[in-house]
Amino acid sequence: AQSVTQLDSQVPVFEEAPVELRCNYSSSVSVYLFWYVQYPNQGLQLLLKYLSGSTLVESINGFEAEFNKSQTSFHLRKPSVHISDTAEYFCAVATGFQKLVFGTGTRLLVSP
Amino acid sequence: NAGVTQTPKFQVLKTGQSMTLQCAQDMNHEYMSWYRQDPGMGLRLIHYSVGAGITDQGEVPNGYNVSRSTTEDFPLRLLSAAPSQTSVYFCASSYRGETQYFGPGTRLLVL
Repeated sequence: AQSVTQLDSQVPVFEEAPVELRCNYSSSVSVYLFWYVQYPNQGLQLLLKYLSGSTLVESINGFEAEFNKSQTSFHLRKPSVHISDTAEYFCAVATGFQKLVFGTGTRLLVSP
Repeated sequence: NAGVTQTPKFQVLKTGQSMTLQCAQDMNHEYMSWYRQDPGMGLRLIHYSVGAGITDQGEVPNGYNVSRSTTEDFPLRLLSAAPSQTSVYFCASSYRGETQYFGPGTRLLVL
């Protein structure tokens, strides 16, 4: 069975500072990896995903994540955050086409 | 193209009552899922479907029933609501599973 660990439940950061949200997973087989974002009172939206190929994946709004197989990690980074990035971020893993396993989430709080 | 829609947005039930949470998608996706979101626990898979007529259990299926008679609809039924089922419920759909599109959620309070 797969599992996902997001060690940081909350990450406070000032606007324009860099941020890293950590995600580690456990699986005995190859995985697909995802980051989803949830803005207040909304559903989840896909931020970026790793399926195969390049281990560095990027989103359209400046986030990136790197798949590290040896460390079983998929940390999310952004070099300069904005107030509008305040949200909850979920890391997820899947081995097949359907069963996503989510982490407990990290709340990113960006202040001026 | 409405994407994934869920009704109702909010519901209050008394213990023992039954209800159906509706989910529909207009993207012709084969895969559909139900998750519940609880504070500090992330999202947990309740049931999923890989096509009309095919459903299977997820991580936390007890107390919930599903059926999939059409590609578009995937209702979630609570036969006898319990306070432990107070949660936010999300429906999701996907073409092959690797990118899931989520609905806006249903907030359920069981008294």
